[in-house]
Amino acid sequence: EPEVTQTPSHQVTQMGQEVILRCVPISNHLYFYWYRQILGQKVEFLVSFYNNEISEKSEIFDDQFSVERPDGSNFTLKIRSTKLEDSAMYFCASRGQINSPLHFGNGTRLTVT
Amino acid sequence: QQQVKQSPQSLIVQKGGISIINCAYENTAFDYFPWYQQFPGKGPALLIAIRPDVSEKKEGRFTISFNKSAKQFSLHIMDSQPGDSATYFCAASIQGNTDKLIFGTGTRLQVFP
Repeated sequence: EPEVTQTPSHQVTQMGQEVILRCVPISNHLYFYWYRQILGQKVEFLVSFYNNEISEKSEIFDDQFSVERPDGSNFTLKIRSTKLEDSAMYFCASRGQINSPLHFGNGTRLTVT
Repeated sequence: QQQVKQSPQSLIVQKGGISIINCAYENTAFDYFPWYQQFPGKGPALLIAIRPDVSEKKEGRFTISFNKSAKQFSLHIMDSQPGDSATYFCAASIQGNTDKLIFGTGTRLQVFP
């Protein structure tokens, strides 16, 4: 079964550094998302992306965050200057059509020290 | 208004028993209510979902009950098995736009033999 692939599985970075989290969505999917989950808490929506542009973003997704689909397969989340509170699991997700099920990757654990 | 409240936070059930997890929402515009199952180190995986035009949906041992007037929905796991031990999240969304999911806070289910 096709799946959403995320790399790396664990990223450790120092406060103030830039980090890029990478995702390969399912190949024929059109809608892409990033969610995050702070340890022991609920999963929170960050951003949705369709047709090469952001369609919606949450309050969490401030100017320090950006997303990009640099080619036909990858979908990235960049955090320009990481803060301690950015430490979380970041999940990429994709769906084929607007009303179809959302498929999540296994996440990247980001630790900011 | 965007919140989805979930209870209990944790649940311990004996093998063969019924696990019941409840969720409540405020936004009457929500029209899609999925349940996700998450194992440690993995992303959330869609378990079962319901739309508000039906009051119940059953798939195998998993049943969603939906009460539109009370703005509540619940997940019932019949004949609970140790392999069902995971964290369960309810969620809600408004379909037709970005479909961002608003997640509940999660229920950690432990099923003992």
